[in-house]
Amino acid sequence: NAGVTQTPKFQVLKTGQSMTLQCAQDMNHEYMSWYRQDPGMGLRLIHYSVGAGITDQGEVPNGYNVSRSTTEDFPLRLLSAAPSQTSVYFCASSLQGTVNQPQHFGDGTRLSIL
Amino acid sequence: QKEVEQDPGPLSVPEGAIVSLNCTYSNSAFQYFMWYRQYSRKGPELLMYTYSSGNKEDGRFTAQVDKSSKYISLFIRDSQPSDSATYLCAMSARSSNTGKLIFGQGTTLQVKP
Repeated sequence: NAGVTQTPKFQVLKTGQSMTLQCAQDMNHEYMSWYRQDPGMGLRLIHYSVGAGITDQGEVPNGYNVSRSTTEDFPLRLLSAAPSQTSVYFCASSLQGTVNQPQHFGDGTRLSIL
Repeated sequence: QKEVEQDPGPLSVPEGAIVSLNCTYSNSAFQYFMWYRQYSRKGPELLMYTYSSGNKEDGRFTAQVDKSSKYISLFIRDSQPSDSATYLCAMSARSSNTGKLIFGQGTTLQVKP
C-alpha cells in the first residue's frame, strides 16, 4: 500500500516555464488537496477536490491549476512559474474530507524557481 | 496578524523531559483542533484530534484546548529522541475540510539522548 505518492521529489525551473506536479493515492479517498509550505508561513491550501470532476480553490490558488479526472490522481499545474512559487508542495488525501479523518500526506515536492 | 500563532522554536530538551508545545489563535469560531507531526523531509501526519474544549490523552501525548483563552497545547511525557520533529497545530471552524483548515507555522523539537 503506497499511500500518497508525489513526483518529482525535486525540481528546478526557470521563470516562465510550466510543469505539472503529480499526485496519486491508492486508498480510494474522495478528498484530495494541495498545500504549499513556506518558512514562517505554515501549510497553506492551494486547491482541493471532494471527488472526481470536482475541484475548488483554497487560500492561495493564483498561478496554479488543478483537475481531477480520476479518484486516484490530482495533478497540480504551474502554467508560468514565478520565483514566488519556490516552495515545498504537499499533496494530501482523506476519506471524505472531514477534520476528524486524518489527512494522509505525500513526502512533498521541493520546487525552486530561478 | 495571523489567525494561528505558533512559536517556531527550536525547542531542545533532554530525553525524558516533559515537553509543552503551544498555539494561540484569534478566531473564536474554531472548534476543531489538531496536532500534526512532521519529520524532516516527510509530510505531516495526524497525531491528535480534539473537538471543542478539554483534554485528550493518547499514550505519552496529551492535547489540551482552552477556548476561553484561545490557547491549545500538546504535552509529551517521557520525551524520546524519536519525538524530534516539527509539530504543527491546525484548527477549523467547520467539521468539513472544505472549510478553512488553518495551520500554525510549526515548532521544531529536538530531544537529545
